Amino acid sequence: EPEVTQTPSHQVTQMGQEVILRCVPISNHLYFYWYRQILGQKVEFLVSFYNNEISEKSEIFDDQFSVERPDGSNFTLKIRSTKLEDSAMYFCASDGGSGAYNEQFFGPGTRLTVL
Amino acid sequence: GQSLEQPSEVTAVEGAIVQINCTYQTSGFYGLSWYQQHDGGAPTFLSYNGLDGLEETGRFSSFLSRSDSYGYLLLQELQMKDSASYFCAVRAPNQAGTALIFGKGTTLSVSS
Repeated sequence: EPEVTQTPSHQVTQMGQEVILRCVPISNHLYFYWYRQILGQKVEFLVSFYNNEISEKSEIFDDQFSVERPDGSNFTLKIRSTKLEDSAMYFCASDGGSGAYNEQFFGPGTRLTVL
Repeated sequence: GQSLEQPSEVTAVEGAIVQINCTYQTSGFYGLSWYQQHDGGAPTFLSYNGLDGLEETGRFSSFLSRSDSYGYLLLQELQMKDSASYFCAVRAPNQAGTALIFGKGTTLSVSS
């Protein structure tokens, strides 16, 4: 069964450093998303991406964040200068394949720890 | 904006039935989805209601009343493996590319 994959599973970085989180969405999906979940809290939407551009973003997704689809399979989230409060689980998701729009498929997540 | 309310915790025993309620406030009409999450793992889709009524998938059922801005997830014949967090979420129905807005989640603990 197709699945969303994410790398790395765990990233530890120093405050102020840049990190890139990587995702491979399901191959025939059209829409891609990033969400984050701070430990013990709810899943929060960051950004959605379609046709090589951002289609929607939340207040959390400020100038420190960017997304890119560098090739036909990868979808990345970059945080330019990490802050302590960026420590969270980051989930990638995708949907829109074969006209099925009701279910977003989530990857296993990357746990980002900022020291 | 959108906001969703659901109970923070529910406890039950194996074999029981549990209902997790969700009320929402949205600026427009949205379908209601339910996701399951084990121990910080990936949220896993359980069900979606775009119209009023009951959707049944095995031991899980979900209900939506748009006029009441209310829905629920019903879990029957509870098993230990059902211990997890359950999130309701809203998005524009049948519209791809729109964000899921999640509630804070309900932690279900199933005991033997």
